[in-house]
Amino acid sequence: QSVLTQPPSVSGAPGQRVTISCTGSSSNIGAGYDVHWYQHHPGTAPKLLIYGNSNRPSGVPDRFSDSKSGTSASLAITGLQSEDEADYYCQSYDSRLSGSVFGGGTKLTVL
Amino acid sequence: QVQLQESGPGLVKPSETLSLTCTVSGDSISLYYWSWIRQPPGKGLEWIGYIYSTGSTNYNPSLKSRVTMSVDTSRNQFSLQLGSVTAADTAVYYCVREDGGGIDYWGQGTLVTVSS
Repeated sequence: QSVLTQPPSVSGAPGQRVTISCTGSSSNIGAGYDVHWYQHHPGTAPKLLIYGNSNRPSGVPDRFSDSKSGTSASLAITGLQSEDEADYYCQSYDSRLSGSVFGGGTKLTVL
Repeated sequence: QVQLQESGPGLVKPSETLSLTCTVSGDSISLYYWSWIRQPPGKGLEWIGYIYSTGSTNYNPSLKSRVTMSVDTSRNQFSLQLGSVTAADTAVYYCVREDGGGIDYWGQGTLVTVSS
């Protein structure tokens, strides 16, 4: 069972907007630690999508954005494209565990 | 361009020790935190721990009793040892670079299977 909770799956049609939630607690997201998001196509290495305060690495389109409130964070993807079909993970730091924690991952299906 | 490459046996017997090495190119290992992440088949990502170039470490509490990480700055390498492995340790193991702003570089990953 992951420290950060994500829905197992979400789906959307091309061009639509989807959101993926990441729920934590007072020892991680709620404590103000940064949340990072990764995109993972099976068989390849995960890719950093968003880090820190809504920063996107070079090459990541602005269709990807995030938000944070209380003990939760969310990743939003607008203008869905077929290549967005992948697994998405959130990551933060947990003060009780003194280390990184991941969400269980969310599989995005583009219908 | 920073590149990381895992190396080590792809098959380990139960109760033995899993040993992996990560070779870093394109950057000095004397900066940043270097971590190991794993993904069991069909499951999510799990943080194993990190090591800094000074040798300072921090391990996932759930694995702490079995994990040892080391660093060789002269070879720009860092290593993972996981003892007393069971089938539950079967996973793709990634070596990665963490800089406080997430994990920006990943190795390609190496599948380690625990089986007799």
